[in-house]
Parts: sequence; C-alpha cells; structure tokens
Amino acid sequence: ILNVEQSPQSLHVQEGDSTNFTCSFPSSNFYALHWYRWETAKSPEALFVMTLNGDEKKKGRISATLNTKEGYSYLYIKGSQPEDSATYLCASASYNTDKLIFGTGTRLQVFP
Amino acid sequence: DADVTQTPRNRITKTGKRIMLECSQTKGHDRMYWYRQDPGLGLQLIYYSFDVKDINKGEISDGYSVSRQAQAKFSLSLESAIPNQTALYFCATSDSNRDQPQHFGDGTRLSIL
Repeated sequence: ILNVEQSPQSLHVQEGDSTNFTCSFPSSNFYALHWYRWETAKSPEALFVMTLNGDEKKKGRISATLNTKEGYSYLYIKGSQPEDSATYLCASASYNTDKLIFGTGTRLQVFP
Repeated sequence: DADVTQTPRNRITKTGKRIMLECSQTKGHDRMYWYRQDPGLGLQLIYYSFDVKDINKGEISDGYSVSRQAQAKFSLSLESAIPNQTALYFCATSDSNRDQPQHFGDGTRLSIL
C-alpha cells in the first residue's frame, strides 16, 4: 500500500448501532497513525494519535486499534448517536517524511 | 477565542486576482501547515513551515506561495488565482509533525470565478 486508504467511503447506521471502519496505510517506515473527526462546517479535531503496534485507545464510546505490521487501524463507535455523524479522517506519518498523508475519510451518518 | 484563526472565512474572487489567506495561532506551536480540501479527495498539503526561517513545499505547491511572518502567523498567497484553485483551505499547527495531533483552523472557502 503506497497511499492511505479508508473504507467504507460512507456509512449510514441507526441510532444505537455499533459501527467500525478501516484505515490502511504503508507499513514500511511507519511512525504514527492519526484519527480526526470532522463535522460539517467545522474544522477537523484530533481523536487519537497512535504509535505502537497493538495499541488501543479509547475516548468515550469511540476506540481505535493499530496494527503496524500489516498496516491497518480500526475505528469503532459503540452505540452510535446522531451527534457522531461526521467524516472520520485518518492520516499516516512515516520516518522518511515530515508530512502526514491523509485518507479521503469515511462519512458516517447516524439516523435517529 | 479560537486557537487557530483563519481569515477570511469565505472569499469569492475573479480569475487573475491576487489573494492572501491568513492564519494566526495562539498555541505557541512552531509547526504550521496549509492544506487544501477538494470534494472526494483527502487533505492535500500545500506548504509547511517548522519555524520562521523554514518553508517547505508540500504535494501541491504550484500556483501558491507562503510567508511565515512570525511564529504565530503563516499566510498563503495565490498570485494569480485560477478557477481550479476553488476549494476549502485549512491552516493547521502542531507541536511536532508526526506524533502530536494537528490543530486546525475553521477553514477558508475560496471560490474563483
């Protein structure tokens, strides 16, 4: 994998459903994996920055896992609420560049 | 007050005009970035700066220039705007690039007719 890829592109769920989506990134020279939440008409806000293989981070109903050997991270939302509706962006950092490479995001819509 | 402030928030202008987008921050971060977001694409890095004397091109720097006037200020210029530069522009800051989160401004929606 040369780029950061996110799937699915969009997701519609009912309130109360749990959901998860995937970020795939280059595993070579891996340094850090970022997750951001981006609500419509607002700016992206950081959720997690993860660096260690096997790391798991949690913030309320949202959690993320990291597999640096195979180059993927999962974001989980337990019991989705309408206020979780947003685009979730991941970005990969590597040792051989100063830049973050962003995926195109997963757009989540939670219906009441 | 916002930690990262972008001005203007919206701008409509004509092809060929010179435009400056400004970004200021109160977080005390050394690192500042300009991104562009187009529908269906990820955030694309235009320019970034690690301190006042450091300016680096990103993935899509052609047609853009930047100025880091102070640690807290980083401005983006379009010398002669063209319609395909119509996009949402974000400024961001960070304490370090790779293992600290980036903090984004509210964005500037730029339309070039």
